[in-house]
Amino acid sequence: AQSVAQPEDQVNVAEGNPLTVKCTYSVSGNPYLFWYVQYPNRGLQFLLKYITGDNLVKGSYGFEAEFNKSQTSFHLKKPSALVSDSALYFCAVREGKLSFGAGTTVTVRA
Amino acid sequence: EAQVTQNPRYLITVTGKKLTVTCSQNMNHEYMSWYRQDPGLGLRQIYYSMNVEVTDKGDVPEGYKVSRKEKRNFPLILESPSPNQTSLYFCASSLMPDTGELFFGEGSRLTVL
Repeated sequence: AQSVAQPEDQVNVAEGNPLTVKCTYSVSGNPYLFWYVQYPNRGLQFLLKYITGDNLVKGSYGFEAEFNKSQTSFHLKKPSALVSDSALYFCAVREGKLSFGAGTTVTVRA
Repeated sequence: EAQVTQNPRYLITVTGKKLTVTCSQNMNHEYMSWYRQDPGLGLRQIYYSMNVEVTDKGDVPEGYKVSRKEKRNFPLILESPSPNQTSLYFCASSLMPDTGELFFGEGSRLTVL
């Protein structure tokens, strides 16, 4: 059975510092991987996805993620975080059905 | 503007009183889905629909019904709500069910007393 894990409930960083949100997955075949962001009182918004090809995927708002097959990871990164990046981030994996991680709350302090 | 619209956004009801949460998308997407979001559990799929008149159960379908009579609409029906259905509900749609990104509505916060 497929699964996705976000090992950190919360990530706190200072504005201007690099931001990393971790995601690991477990599937039996080739996964389709997604990142979504949820701002307070809003629905989820798509950030980026990995389907095939280049392991480094670039997405919205300056975010990128690296697909690492050997480590079964798909960590979300941003080189320089902004206060406005404070939100709830979800990793998702699709192998047949789509499964979401539990989410990571990111707080960027000024 | 491309969007998924849910109504109502907020609802407080009592156990056993039937309710419907509507969902409509204007992007001509074939795939639509309902999720519930609970703290620490992420999003769990309730039902999904690959096309008109085609619906299927997700991970947590008990206590819910759906219908897909038209491509743009995918209402979620709670025939006899119970307190354990208190949650934040999201409708989403996608052009391609496997590789396409999901477009989410703004959410419907339901409280069942």
